[in-house]
Amino acid sequence: GAVVSQHPSRVICKSGTSVKIECRSLDFQATTMFWYRQFPKQSLMLMATSNEGSKATYEQGVEKDKFLINHASLTLSTLTVTSAHPEDSSFYICSAHPGQRGAETQYFGPGTRLLVL
Amino acid sequence: DQQVKQNSPSLSVQEGRISILNCDYTNSMFDYFLWYKKYPAEGPTFLISISSIKDKNEDGRFTVFLNKSAKHLSLHIVPSQPGDSAVYFCAARVPGSNYKLTFGKGTLLTVNP
Repeated sequence: GAVVSQHPSRVICKSGTSVKIECRSLDFQATTMFWYRQFPKQSLMLMATSNEGSKATYEQGVEKDKFLINHASLTLSTLTVTSAHPEDSSFYICSAHPGQRGAETQYFGPGTRLLVL
Repeated sequence: DQQVKQNSPSLSVQEGRISILNCDYTNSMFDYFLWYKKYPAEGPTFLISISSIKDKNEDGRFTVFLNKSAKHLSLHIVPSQPGDSAVYFCAARVPGSNYKLTFGKGTLLTVNP
């Protein structure tokens, strides 16, 4: 149980285009989803917290107009990187939390490698 | 300000021996600590957690120890296996933060056959 999927697993795009990444909780309902990015040999950097049916909460320094997050249902959150530039190239990982009392861990997706040319 | 610190970027141990991964934190409000394992180009996988009211939690080969007075926790893996080779992240949670976790920078564990 507690499987989270991400799609696509890898994407290459041209500078200036937008890229959408999907995160799905496959066997549980996720009231809260998180989006992270990871640079090589660095920690996971939390970008935003996404709650179903409400606006995402962005961490300091993360541009909300650049990284659009939508959490339309209890099993799906999307991250859209708008007008992508080479510096946006990174490994993006989502996680989902079931929101049940006592469920302390987040479950992570396999990640999406974005390369902007 | 790095609230969760893993000061050893890498650790190498021999198969069958004990691996000890360390983590220090600065925020005394953290109420839960978790360890995740991550392979390259994959998402982290949850390993084991411990509540701040406990000092030890054991699950098979994995044991986490918490020393609140020292703001230090450690993950022990015994016996270590080559398949344990991965990056290990320590994470901590602030209560009331909507389940947000703060991660350390990770320690690359290499278990040599």
